[in-house]
Amino acid sequence: QKEVEQDPGPLSVPEGAIVSLNCTYSNSAFQYFMWYRQYSRKGPELLMYTYSSGNKEDGRFTAQVDKSSKYISLFIRDSQPSDSATYLCAMSSMDSSYKLIFGSGTRLLVRP
Amino acid sequence: DSGVTQTPKHLITATGQRVTLRCSPRSGDLSVYWYQQSLDQGLQFLIQYYNGEERAKGNILERFSAQQFPDLHSELNLSSLELGDSALYFCASSPSGGPEAFFGQGTRLTVV
Repeated sequence: QKEVEQDPGPLSVPEGAIVSLNCTYSNSAFQYFMWYRQYSRKGPELLMYTYSSGNKEDGRFTAQVDKSSKYISLFIRDSQPSDSATYLCAMSSMDSSYKLIFGSGTRLLVRP
Repeated sequence: DSGVTQTPKHLITATGQRVTLRCSPRSGDLSVYWYQQSLDQGLQFLIQYYNGEERAKGNILERFSAQQFPDLHSELNLSSLELGDSALYFCASSPSGGPEAFFGQGTRLTVV
């Protein structure tokens, strides 16, 4: 079983929809939770970074962490065609030198 | 642009050869991470350096080695290359070895 599970999609939504992306994990030592966006053949771009449980909002993006359920989410409001990309969740802990453990990524397609 | 620079962008080489990938971290970042991204394995952590010292090691093959120089740039050396080593290799940097990591655009290695 992988440490971090993520539905690969693809997820296809119409422009303006609210998108929900999720990951589950098994390692209770994870303290830091990241969401990256990766366009085709490009490097991952850090979107959101959360420490421990709770919510964090940045513009159209909201990240949620539920450590009790080992479940994290990324919500994208008013989705745009330019949001079409692969979204990767990643997690780390201080005792593992913050190396990132990635999910496999969810492909998102926002249709105009 | 994340500020992390990787060269070369593309590399095509034959089996059995040796190549060197180069990474310049963001200005002021002390920590450098190397990751490998392949279709079947996703993004996998290889190795981390912090201010010239190796800090953490992942599933890095013995044929692979890395170092970080006094000016903080890093090199990943891949030797005795096999077809299965074909992948995207990413470098990431973080300010103090903490959880936020910023990725370069990657080097696409093709072994023929």
